[in-house]
Amino acid sequence: QQPVQSPQAVILREGEDAVINCSSSKALYSVHWYRQKHGEAPVFLMILLKGGEQKGHEKISASFNEKKQQSSLYLTASQLSYSGTYFCGTGIRSQGNLIFGKGTKLSVKP
Amino acid sequence: AAGVIQSPRHLIKEKRETATLKCYPIPRHDTVYWYQQGPGQDPQFLISFYEKMQSDKGSIPDRFSAQQFSDYHSELNMSSLELGDSALYFCASSPWDGELFFGEGSRLTVL
Repeated sequence: QQPVQSPQAVILREGEDAVINCSSSKALYSVHWYRQKHGEAPVFLMILLKGGEQKGHEKISASFNEKKQQSSLYLTASQLSYSGTYFCGTGIRSQGNLIFGKGTKLSVKP
Repeated sequence: AAGVIQSPRHLIKEKRETATLKCYPIPRHDTVYWYQQGPGQDPQFLISFYEKMQSDKGSIPDRFSAQQFSDYHSELNMSSLELGDSALYFCASSPWDGELFFGEGSRLTVL
């Protein structure tokens, strides 16, 4: 079942912060976050596994509430390069496929 | 560092023709995934392979088939192409419980 992302779109000024949410109706094993720019491949940002393990880029932070099957991606002090569509991908078991949400389009303006 | 290689990058076919996309995963990655992404859409999971065996199947039409070979490369075969098959097809590979590394995609246009 496809996870639900919110908001669908957000516009920021450089330096502002944003939070993108992802929720699932299924018990999750993992949540992944990717950013995709138009016409390019999705690029990995963060992975959060059941049990608390996390891996990702230094400037990116995220949380995973296993009980609520919810994850949030925190973008702080946004830069122009942060613009793109952010997708969460959820997995229900180890080494299983990811189902992506519909994406959150982030635009950072000067 | 080696990345996921996909070929061809662009492909134009007529309706009812057949197309084959190839994917070469990152060495030592044991899982390969295929995703289809229409314009402005999210990536839709098609199929995955773990250690050359099909592991998961998503919304892949019966007209499509895929396999992973002994050298770990994978091919997505699409037959009786329809206009709606026009999309960007991504292959991704991952190590165990790791992130997905996506290839640059193969853009299929069906006329």
